[in-house]
Amino acid sequence: DAGVTQSPTHLIKTRGQQVTLRCSPKSGHDTVSWYQQALGQGPQFIFQYYEEEERQRGNFPDRFSGHQFPNYSSELNVNALLLGDSALYLCASSFTGTSNQPQHFGDGTRLSIL
Amino acid sequence: AQSVTQPDIHITVSEGASLELRCNYSYGATPYLFWYVQSPGQGLQLLLKYFSGDTLVQGIKGFEAEFKRSQSSFNLRKPSVHWSDAAEYFCAVGATGGGNKLTFGTGTQLKVEL
Repeated sequence: DAGVTQSPTHLIKTRGQQVTLRCSPKSGHDTVSWYQQALGQGPQFIFQYYEEEERQRGNFPDRFSGHQFPNYSSELNVNALLLGDSALYLCASSFTGTSNQPQHFGDGTRLSIL
Repeated sequence: AQSVTQPDIHITVSEGASLELRCNYSYGATPYLFWYVQSPGQGLQLLLKYFSGDTLVQGIKGFEAEFKRSQSSFNLRKPSVHWSDAAEYFCAVGATGGGNKLTFGTGTQLKVEL
């Protein structure tokens, strides 16, 4: 049973560029959340997708956008990259249909901005 | 707004010694509480969760945590630490349903001396 998978593992971009990160949820999960973890910090909630719509959003600018596909996989897009966007981006999945189900995390994508 | 405080940034214990990692939360209703562990370059692995019921919860790898509503705390404990427990530990609070957004603390880095 595959867990949450994220791609790519590492990515290097320059300021002003755009990036797309991908996530496949754990089998049986229908909800995907994205988190940003800066060095030495705890993860910060970016947004959550369910039924192909953004259901919740954290305190992140509109440069951060996402999408969920019919197969429940998800993408995180970041435009006009800033040096401060350098972080580990974590995807987490869960199943909304049953209450009290925890989120399961992938290993993340390490994004470095030069 | 929900928040989590982990007062200890770094903790060093000897192998075989007991461990307690502190976590204090702020949440307006009954909280859903979690402890996750993160090894270098890895994602987050769920150690244990509290939703309701018995305030002492057991997790994987011999960890347990106790929910104390009067102290707004959810401390993680282990009676005998192993060298492989060296990692970063995050406490998190979530809204109802478990799969909703998580708010994390800044983490506690555990070092184990042999």
